[in-house]
Amino acid sequence: DAGVIQSPRHEVTEMGQEVTLRCKPISGHDYLFWYRQTMMRGLELLIYFNNNVPIDDSGMPEDRFSAKMPNASFSTLKIQPSEPRDSAVYFCASSLGGPRGPQHFGDGTRLSIL
Amino acid sequence: AQKVTQAQTEISVVEKEDVTLDCVYETRDTTYYLFWYKQPPSGELVFLIRRNSFDEQNEISGRYSWNFQKSTSSFNFTITASQVVDSAVYFCALSDTGNQFYFGTGTSLTVIP
Repeated sequence: DAGVIQSPRHEVTEMGQEVTLRCKPISGHDYLFWYRQTMMRGLELLIYFNNNVPIDDSGMPEDRFSAKMPNASFSTLKIQPSEPRDSAVYFCASSLGGPRGPQHFGDGTRLSIL
Repeated sequence: AQKVTQAQTEISVVEKEDVTLDCVYETRDTTYYLFWYKQPPSGELVFLIRRNSFDEQNEISGRYSWNFQKSTSSFNFTITASQVVDSAVYFCALSDTGNQFYFGTGTSLTVIP
């Protein structure tokens, strides 16, 4: 079975540009999570969805960040406008049963904002 | 407040040595879940184990073993006869009621050949 697929793997863009990160969860999983990893702050849960509905977005840092899940097989995390401090590795994960279930992670998107 | 504490930031061991990674958690819930994840140098996060709060049995999987002690709020991870491929950052995590999920800050393990 295919795992969680994220794209792009790497993104380099200039400050102020819109950035869109994409995620395809494992088929059949009902939860999808977005995380950000930095040296300073470690792994942070940004938002998660259950059956395509956002459940908890308390980790989303600012209004510049938004996430959508239009269907069970696709989610996006968008940053507009991007800032250098948004540079991080962004992970998507999916699970059965929510935060209590084992989460399966994608390979991550390494984002650099210049 | 820190929900999951991994006090060991970095550990180095020589190959074939045993090593224990410590994890202390904090929750007032009676039902919760604990996890360990591995992040090798390639960057992906790999699920290793989940344990619920009602199951204090220790678990062994090959060279890996986990010791869950509710009395000390600890969920420690031991690698026996370490190998170079065990070099990675290991994260302990907690999920309690409210469906929140908390990662520790990770322990970077280096196994020296």
